[in-house]
Amino acid sequence: DAGVIQSPRHEVTEMGQEVTLRCKPISGHNSLFWYRQTMMRGLELLIYFNNNVPIDDSGMPEDRFSAKMPNASFSTLKIQPSEPRDSAVYFCASSIKTGTEAFFGQGTRLTVV
Amino acid sequence: EDQVTQSPEALRLQEGESSSLNCSYTVSGLRGLFWYRQDPGKGPEFLFTLYSAGEEKEKERLKATLTKKESFLHITAPKPEDSATYLCAVRTEYGNKLVFGAGTILRVKS
Repeated sequence: DAGVIQSPRHEVTEMGQEVTLRCKPISGHNSLFWYRQTMMRGLELLIYFNNNVPIDDSGMPEDRFSAKMPNASFSTLKIQPSEPRDSAVYFCASSIKTGTEAFFGQGTRLTVV
Repeated sequence: EDQVTQSPEALRLQEGESSSLNCSYTVSGLRGLFWYRQDPGKGPEFLFTLYSAGEEKEKERLKATLTKKESFLHITAPKPEDSATYLCAVRTEYGNKLVFGAGTILRVKS
């Protein structure tokens, strides 16, 4: 398996623009997670899905952030409008079932100028 | 509130100099402790899962142990390729959330 695949790897956008990050989890994995990593706050969970259903979105910082999982092989994280403080590395991860280890993608480095 | 604290923040070792990284946690109902390795510009790479006090896991030069309050990642005779950030995370009884520590940056010099 190719592992968790994220796109794009790098994104530079202007403040106020919409940003969409994409993730393809490992085939057969039932849980999907979106994390954000910054120097100041480390790795923070934004939202996670079980069987395509959002379970916990308490980590989503503001209404500007939204996430969807229309099917078992695809998820998006959207920021609209983007702000400079959203600059971070965003990771997607998946696990085969609740309670097991999560496998991470290579991340998307987002820079909002 | 669930908390995970890793120490030291950074560690420099000479090649072959064994040492340990610490992960202490305060959580309500531990449902697993996870160790990850992260190289610059990459996502965290899964190493070990520990579920109960007294459990140990080994992989090459790494051995992870778990007590009721902390976990140790022992590195025996490290090599320069072991240089990375090592992250510890816990899963609690409340859902599937992984709470990560800030990590330990390990540098091994030849």
